[in-house]
Amino acid sequence: NAGVIQTPRHKVTGKGQEATLWCEPISGHSAVFWYRQTIVQGLEFLTYFRNQAPIDDSGMPKERFSAQMPNQSHSTLKIQSTQPQDSAVYLCASSPRQGRDTGQLYFGEGSKLTVL
Amino acid sequence: AQKVTQTQTSISVMEKTTVTMDCVYETQDSSYFLFWYKQTASGEIVFLIRQDSYKKENATVGHYSLNFQKPKSSIGLIITATQIEDSAVYFCAMRETNSGTYQRFGTGTKLQVVP
Repeated sequence: NAGVIQTPRHKVTGKGQEATLWCEPISGHSAVFWYRQTIVQGLEFLTYFRNQAPIDDSGMPKERFSAQMPNQSHSTLKIQSTQPQDSAVYLCASSPRQGRDTGQLYFGEGSKLTVL
Repeated sequence: AQKVTQTQTSISVMEKTTVTMDCVYETQDSSYFLFWYKQTASGEIVFLIRQDSYKKENATVGHYSLNFQKPKSSIGLIITATQIEDSAVYFCAMRETNSGTYQRFGTGTKLQVVP
């Protein structure tokens, strides 16, 4: 059973360029999360989809960041006009269900974004 | 507001000993889920063990166990008979049942197991 797949593993962009990160959740998992990890902020929640619908994007910076889940097999996180402070490891996670009895998160290996 | 705090930045222990990592949380919800994850040097994050707030019995999985003290809002992770490969960063996380949609993580504790 394949785990959560994230591409690219590493991405280097220049300041002001756009970056798109992809996530393929584990088949059958209805919940998909995006987190960001930095040394300073630790693991920060960005956004959450359930059955492809956006449920909570309270962690997303209001400008420049957007996320979509066009089908059950993939989600994208897009950062427009990247800034050096966007440099981080972006982690996608999925879980089999979301409800009263929530399950543990299955994380991908992450996409390391470096903005020069 | 939901908050998870891990005050131990790093711990070093001898192989084959027992270590406890601390985690305290804040929540207004009467029902919640607590998790521990391990991040290896490669960056991989894996789930270890969970505790549901309504369960009084401490969870145990392999050589991982939890010390759940609900009145103190505390969930400690205990690793017995530590091995070199237990060296990693350990994260505590919480999700509130009624008002939470995502797991909020602590800042992590780096464990080094030395021979």
